Amino acid sequence: TQLLEQSPQFLSIQEGENLTVYCNSSSVFSSLQWYRQEPGEGPVLLVTVVTGGEVKKLKRLTFQFGDARKDSSLHITAAQTGDTGLYLCAASNTNAGKSTFGDGTTLTVKP
Amino acid sequence: SAVISQKPSRDICQRGTSLTIQCQVDSQVTMMFWYRQQPGQSLTLIATANQGSEATYESGFVIDKFPISRPNLTFSTLTVSNLSPEDSSIYLCSVEDRSRGGAQHFGDGTRLSIL
Repeated sequence: TQLLEQSPQFLSIQEGENLTVYCNSSSVFSSLQWYRQEPGEGPVLLVTVVTGGEVKKLKRLTFQFGDARKDSSLHITAAQTGDTGLYLCAASNTNAGKSTFGDGTTLTVKP
Repeated sequence: SAVISQKPSRDICQRGTSLTIQCQVDSQVTMMFWYRQQPGQSLTLIATANQGSEATYESGFVIDKFPISRPNLTFSTLTVSNLSPEDSSIYLCSVEDRSRGGAQHFGDGTRLSIL
């Protein structure tokens, strides 16, 4: 079983602060995704990374895929209250179809 | 990206009854996935539904408890049978987007509570 360990599990910060969420595994994946989920909704895809060492930016969010394609990080700069939610990493391998999900990080950004 | 409609959005059921959840996609897809999620926690894959064949269940999930139908390439149902309080959870369907490296698109989920 391929496991994804996500940390921290909970994070509570003030608006304007920076934060980083980590997603680690002992397995190599062909691609890794980050999702954000709000109460009452399904997870929404933020980004997919596929190349070792890849860095992608989405406004204040920066995503990095490790060189060995075993780990990833999500960095948020100057967090806003609208960033509050459950952040999930997920990984898959080519043609496998299904994804493995991390344990999730619940982020609360306080005004 | 695919648009997924899932219903009901929530339900409250009696012990021993069953609930069928429907998932409709606006495009044809090969595989559809059914997940269970406790609020604030990660997703656990129940099964993969393929059109024209039996669903593939993950360890810990069986067809008698979670029968799945996949009559065509845009629709699937998940039934949760013989409901008990332990079945209270959020159930989500999803489809794979191969153009995005295997990322998935999700419905909004069904929140199930058992009395």
